[in-house]
Amino acid sequence: KAGVTQTPRYLIKTRGQQVTLSCSPISGHRSVSWYQQTPGQGLQFLFEYFSETQRNKGNFPGRFSGRQFSNSRSEMNVSTLELGDSALYLCASKTSADEQFFGPGTRLTVL
Amino acid sequence: AQSVTQLDSQVPVFEEAPVELRCNYSSSVSVYLFWYVQYPNQGLQLLLKYLSGSTLVKGINGFEAEFNKSQTSFHLRKPSVHISDTAEYFCAVSLGGGADGLTFGKGTHLIIQP
Repeated sequence: KAGVTQTPRYLIKTRGQQVTLSCSPISGHRSVSWYQQTPGQGLQFLFEYFSETQRNKGNFPGRFSGRQFSNSRSEMNVSTLELGDSALYLCASKTSADEQFFGPGTRLTVL
Repeated sequence: AQSVTQLDSQVPVFEEAPVELRCNYSSSVSVYLFWYVQYPNQGLQLLLKYLSGSTLVKGINGFEAEFNKSQTSFHLRKPSVHISDTAEYFCAVSLGGGADGLTFGKGTHLIIQP
């Protein structure tokens, strides 16, 4: 089985722009979660989607949003980028046994 | 809300020596516990998990962890480390059942010295 894929792997944007990141979960997995990893704050939960519905949300501003499609692929969007949004964004697909399998991440740099 | 404390930000150890990475958690309800490893420029890989049952959990790459409910701990151990074990290790908890995402500790950098 192919693992979790994330595109793009690297992204450079400037303040004020918006960005869309994509995640394809492992085939058959219906749950996708997103996490932000920074040196200062560590790994923080953004949100989780299950069957196209947002099931859980972390403590992030409304500039961070996401969606899930009928094929379980997910996108997250960050609008009005700030310097502090520079981070590694990780996507994970989850089994019914609560095991989360992570993708390689998208490294976003905001200049 | 639950929280996770990894007591050591960095642990140096000689190759072939044993290692223990400490993890304590705080939660008012039962939680699921996980250890993940992250190699440079990669995502997270699940080492092992505790959902219920036996408190000694065996994972991949020779790692094991013991759940101690009274001490709210879930320390990770390996009897003999290898250079390839150099990585960042994260302890995480969740309420399980799809109720929330993972709450991670700050991570422990394991440095294997030859």
